[in-house]
Amino acid sequence: DTGVSQDPRHKITKRGQNVTFRCDPISEHNRLYWYRQTLGQGPEFLTYFQNEAQLEKSRLLSDRFSAERPKGSFSTLEIQRTEQGDSAMYLCASSPRTSGRANEQFFGPGTRLTVL
Amino acid sequence: GQNIDQPTEMTATEGAIVQINCTYQTSGFNGLFWYQQHAGEAPTFLSYNVLDGLEEKGRFSSFLSRSKGYSYLLLKELQMKDSASYLCAVSRPRAGSYQLTFGKGTKLSVIP
Repeated sequence: DTGVSQDPRHKITKRGQNVTFRCDPISEHNRLYWYRQTLGQGPEFLTYFQNEAQLEKSRLLSDRFSAERPKGSFSTLEIQRTEQGDSAMYLCASSPRTSGRANEQFFGPGTRLTVL
Repeated sequence: GQNIDQPTEMTATEGAIVQINCTYQTSGFNGLFWYQQHAGEAPTFLSYNVLDGLEEKGRFSSFLSRSKGYSYLLLKELQMKDSASYLCAVSRPRAGSYQLTFGKGTKLSVIP
């Protein structure tokens, strides 16, 4: 399978705990994006990497959130001191430097976080 | 700011045609995407328009009018498996890449 993968698919945690999610993009894609999606809403942009550089962060990304892409391949998203409002689907997407459809993003299956 | 509007829910009958509209106001524009998302799954690409006009691909077509800030997705010969959310997303250049801003999605229910 050469698509975007995410791990874990589901995470249940207690309020106040830290969680970390992993995303493995399509291998030749140098651009990687994190989104958050809550029920009945479209995905909301969180942050973007080009190779290992984090080039943009949304205001949604509070100081409890941190994302890394240390070698320009996989990425991790960590949430510290989780709150119930963090419960959502966290989607990762990647895109190539060039694309026949200019800038299509390919999405992973997501990690569903439930904070109790 | 960015604003993308699409209907929250629609219902249509199997075998029929349905049109899902999307209006947008964004700063910067580099095309409009439609994605399909089944419950609990990732969005999957349906169509991309960057120039005005109609793009047809099988049972799905998408239309764009940049001057009106308007797009629609047309689904023909509806099947039960088309029951899903349909996301309109505008692409705009940001930070050396292209950022997607999504609408809230239109939940389509196909009934027998």
